[in-house]
Amino acid sequence: EAQVTQNPRYLITVTGKKLTVTCSQNMNHEYMSWYRQDPGLGLRQIYYSMNVEVTDKGDVPEGYKVSRKEKRNFPLILESPSPNQTSLYFCASSSPQGSAPYYGYTFGSGTRLTVV
Amino acid sequence: AQSVTQLGSHVSVSEGALVLLRCNYSSSVPPYLFWYVQYPNQGLQLLLKYTSAATLVKGINGFEAEFKKSETSFHLTKPSAHMSDAAEYFCAVSDYGGYQKVTFGTGTKLQVIP
Repeated sequence: EAQVTQNPRYLITVTGKKLTVTCSQNMNHEYMSWYRQDPGLGLRQIYYSMNVEVTDKGDVPEGYKVSRKEKRNFPLILESPSPNQTSLYFCASSSPQGSAPYYGYTFGSGTRLTVV
Repeated sequence: AQSVTQLGSHVSVSEGALVLLRCNYSSSVPPYLFWYVQYPNQGLQLLLKYTSAATLVKGINGFEAEFKKSETSFHLTKPSAHMSDAAEYFCAVSDYGGYQKVTFGTGTKLQVIP
C-alpha cells in the first residue's frame, strides 16, 4: 500500500531534550515536506525537500532541522524543543506533475508532540 | 507570494442540503489549487486539484470546485450533504505545481445536521 509513515504518533517530551520524528514514504516520490498544524492557523510548512540532499525552508523553519540522505526518508529534528513547538506535525510526499501518477501531496497520519 | 483565505471557520448544513465552502487565493503566477479533507485524528486527503486543464474540477465523494480567475476564487461545493462529510476542509495554493511550497488556508469545519 502506498503510504507515508510517521513515527511516533504521540510524543511527550521535556524542554531542551533533542528529538527526531521519522518520516518514510514508499512511493518513490521526489518531493517531501513537513507541516505543523495549530488550531486557527491551518497548516504551515516547516521545510520541504525536492530530492536527496536538496532541502529548503518553508514558512516556519525556526527551531527545526531536516535531512534528506535517502529518497524515502525525511526526518524532522528538534534540537532543543520548546513549549511553543507543541503541535500536530504532518509529513507529506509528492511527485512532480508530468510523471504519473500525480495526486498532490500524500500525507502521513500525523505526530502529536507535547513539549512540557 | 501566494496566500489563501477561507471564509468561515465553521459551516453547518442540514443533511441533504447544498454544501458551499469558500476559498479565495492570491498568487503572482497562474496557480495550482487544491482542496483537502481531514477527518478526526487523521492526515489530510486530497479531494481535488485545479491545474488549468478545466475550470470545473470534479473530485472524490461528489465534491467539485470551480476556478474563477476574475474572482480569484476556488469554492468547493457538493449538491447534497451526507453525515459522512463532517470534517475539516482545507484549501491550498501553490505557484510551483503543488509539490514545493504549498500554502494552506486555516480550514473550515463542516458540521452536518441530521
